[in-house]
Amino acid sequence: GAGVSQSPSNKVTEKGKDVELRCDPISGHTALYWYRQSLGQGLEFLIYFQGNSAPDKSGLPSDRFSAERTGGSVSTLTIQRTQQEDSAVYLCASSLEGTSGSYEQYFGPGTRLTVT
Amino acid sequence: GQNIDQPTEMTATEGAIVQINCTYQTSGFNGLFWYQQHAGEAPTFLSYNVLDGLEEKGRFSSFLSRSKGYSYLLLKELQMKDSASYLCAVSIHQAGTALIFGKGTTLSVSS
Repeated sequence: GAGVSQSPSNKVTEKGKDVELRCDPISGHTALYWYRQSLGQGLEFLIYFQGNSAPDKSGLPSDRFSAERTGGSVSTLTIQRTQQEDSAVYLCASSLEGTSGSYEQYFGPGTRLTVT
Repeated sequence: GQNIDQPTEMTATEGAIVQINCTYQTSGFNGLFWYQQHAGEAPTFLSYNVLDGLEEKGRFSSFLSRSKGYSYLLLKELQMKDSASYLCAVSIHQAGTALIFGKGTTLSVSS
């Protein structure tokens, strides 16, 4: 079946512009996660959605970052007034459910964001 | 704070065995994952340990000692295609399962 998909695959934007990154999780997966991976750094957790519960936003680095998940499926990560330090690969992952730690997360191919 | 340490780089030859270590100090523990990530690709799941001991899956095995905050990934009969980054990650919440990742170990396999 289809895996996690993300769009766009690459995004180049000017400093100060807003960007929207999209994630389509695996059908039937109730948990959805956003991470970012900067050069030479590990994956950094950003935000987590589980079903209709309020999202866990504890990893968002600033109030310029926000995310929503519509209809329990597609998610959009929005970065407002982008800065050069926002340049990274943004990875989305989904899992069957998120209330148990044992379910593996399936990752999408990522969106490479470059802020010039 | 959360801290996960693993070596930055390792090299090995085809057919050999390599062990990638991971130590962690986290505020909670709900299991440890190993992922493989080829350059420019998404991470893919390799293994999950929540209880102490060794989990074997084909050429790959993973070990966990919760009391020592220690895990290792063992790769046997190395192949060139095993050249990749190996990511150690800890699930820290009982409810809500965001993973805390180490920086990854880049393994280079040569012939």
